[in-house]
Amino acid sequence: EIVMTQSPATLSVSPGERATLSCRASQRIYGNLAWYQQKPGQAPRLLMYGVSTRAIGIPDRFSGGGSGTEYTLTISSLQSEDFAVYYCQHYNNWPLMCSFGQGTKLEIK
Amino acid sequence: EVQLVQSEAAVRKPGESLKISCQVSGYIFTDYYIAWVRQMPGKGLEWMGIIYPDDSNTRYSPSFEGQVTFSVDKAIKTAYLQWNSLKASDTATYFCARPNIPPQGYFDYWGQGTRVTVFS
Repeated sequence: EIVMTQSPATLSVSPGERATLSCRASQRIYGNLAWYQQKPGQAPRLLMYGVSTRAIGIPDRFSGGGSGTEYTLTISSLQSEDFAVYYCQHYNNWPLMCSFGQGTKLEIK
Repeated sequence: EVQLVQSEAAVRKPGESLKISCQVSGYIFTDYYIAWVRQMPGKGLEWMGIIYPDDSNTRYSPSFEGQVTFSVDKAIKTAYLQWNSLKASDTATYFCARPNIPPQGYFDYWGQGTRVTVFS
């Protein structure tokens, strides 16, 4: 099983500033990485897949990067609606795998 | 428009059975797998496994193998998650989600979640 570790657990940032969230895999995952945003009482929403491809309707202030075992999600200028919990996910078809990081809570400073 | 609509919240006692549902629309049900994801109160997301509606082929996460059962009804485009004997530790919100790339890609559509509460 590939273990996904996110850091930090909580990130406090002021609106308008930049936020960078990290996700580390226990083994190389060859870019099979997605990011989700979850707000209280809601289902997760897909933000990014294949490391750096934004999902439909996701603004370009969100960007993803990384390779090998280290990946990041960057939000360039935080808006009020961006404060939420973010999860990374590794996915793979052969062998079949799916695992989530434990989440990073992005809170208003 | 793709939609996954889950059944309402449920409250049960330990030892009771439960079957929750996820009805899809807006796409061909048998073309995509359905995954189930658990979220315990205040915790993160856990992948439970997947089912292929076309032939009901299932893959369970080792953590959930033998604890739950996935099934589908193709006629009504609905996937199910079932417990035969609930435990208090099954208290959680359960999401169904569609992997974009079969069988297990990223999840592009999610149900709204079903909250399951188990207490005596």
